[in-house]
Amino acid sequence: KAGVTQTPRYLIKTRGQQVTLSCSPISGHRSVSWYQQTPGQGLQFLFEYFSETQRNKGNFPGRFSGRQFSNSRSEMNVSTLELGDSALYLCASSRGAREGSPLHFGNGTRLTVT
Amino acid sequence: SQQGEEDPQALSIQEGENATMNCSYKTSINNLQWYRQNSGRGLVHLILIRSNEREKHSGRLRVTLDTSKKSSSLLITASRAADTASYFCATDGGGGADGLTFGKGTHLIIQP
Repeated sequence: KAGVTQTPRYLIKTRGQQVTLSCSPISGHRSVSWYQQTPGQGLQFLFEYFSETQRNKGNFPGRFSGRQFSNSRSEMNVSTLELGDSALYLCASSRGAREGSPLHFGNGTRLTVT
Repeated sequence: SQQGEEDPQALSIQEGENATMNCSYKTSINNLQWYRQNSGRGLVHLILIRSNEREKHSGRLRVTLDTSKKSSSLLITASRAADTASYFCATDGGGGADGLTFGKGTHLIIQP
């Protein structure tokens, strides 16, 4: 069974630009979550999508948005990039049960904002 | 904000020794999970323990949970060089709200 696939693997952008990251979950998984990982703040929850609907959202500004398609693939978008957005962005999928579903992570997209 | 706090932040031991990592959290939970992350890669789920469980085993892993102290420990027995990684505890407060809350991790180094 193929794992969670995130593209691109690396990305370099300039302040003010916008970026779209893509995530393909494990087949049969309906929930996709996004996390931001930085050395200073660690892993922080961005949002979760289930059956094309945003189910939960973390404490991030509106510049961070996402969506999920009918095939469960998900994208996240960051507009008006800031230097502080440089991070490893991790996508994780699960079967979607409310409690106790282990997350399966992709290898992430490393975003560098210059 | 981080709910889980792992201790120690870094741990270096010899191959074959046991490694113990601790995690403390602040609010009530439905379950607690442990993940491993190799450098620059995604996290791998290791084990989940529910709030009504006190101990769980999986291969060389043993996890304990003390909800009265809001703490958990992860024991890796007979460590191997391949166990070198960062280990994170993650708490699930239930209802899916705020996703999983991760600690900042313990970086484990196994010396050959």
